[in-house]
Amino acid sequence: NAGVMQNPRHLVRRRGQEARLRCSPMKGHSHVYWYRQLPEEGLKFMVYLQKENIIDESGMPKERFSAEFPKEGPSILRIQQVVRGDSAAYFCASSPTGEETALNIQYFGAGTRLSVL
Amino acid sequence: ELKVEQNPLFLSMQEGKNYTIYCNYSTTSDRLYWYRQDPGKSLESLFVLLSNGAVKQEGRLMASLDTKARLSTLHITAAVHDLSATYFCAAGAEYGNKLVFGAGTILRVKS
Repeated sequence: NAGVMQNPRHLVRRRGQEARLRCSPMKGHSHVYWYRQLPEEGLKFMVYLQKENIIDESGMPKERFSAEFPKEGPSILRIQQVVRGDSAAYFCASSPTGEETALNIQYFGAGTRLSVL
Repeated sequence: ELKVEQNPLFLSMQEGKNYTIYCNYSTTSDRLYWYRQDPGKSLESLFVLLSNGAVKQEGRLMASLDTKARLSTLHITAAVHDLSATYFCAAGAEYGNKLVFGAGTILRVKS
């Protein structure tokens, strides 16, 4: 069973460009979470999605950031008009449905490291 | 608002020694997680603690939870070099599924 897959692993963008980060959850998982990790800091929650629904976006910046988890395909975190302060590692996690949801063990991908020049 | 504080933030240990990492959280949480992160890698789940007095052990690591004190500890016994990593605690928010992470403890075990 493949783990949470994120791509790309590294992404370099110039200021003003768009960044698209992809996350495929573990097989059978329908809950996806995005976190951002700034250098030498802990992870900060951004958004929680289920298929075709945004459940909690309380950690998302109000502008330039959006996320989706379509019926088919991976979850996408989109950052428009990137700025240097967006440079960070972006981690995706997924959790299973069913009874295990109560434990809410989130399984993390390897992350996408975004560098904005 | 739930906040999580870890200390120490950096820990340099000699092999064979014992030490404890502390994790305090500010409001009610019904679940506490410990993760390990190696440089440039993802987070690996170590422990899930769900109730007051819960204690879990895996190898040289033991985690405990005191919900009344809002404190979890990660105890390292007879440290070995392979334990060098960053350790995060995270508390589950009271509402919703998000996790609130501490800043992490960078552990370096010296030979």
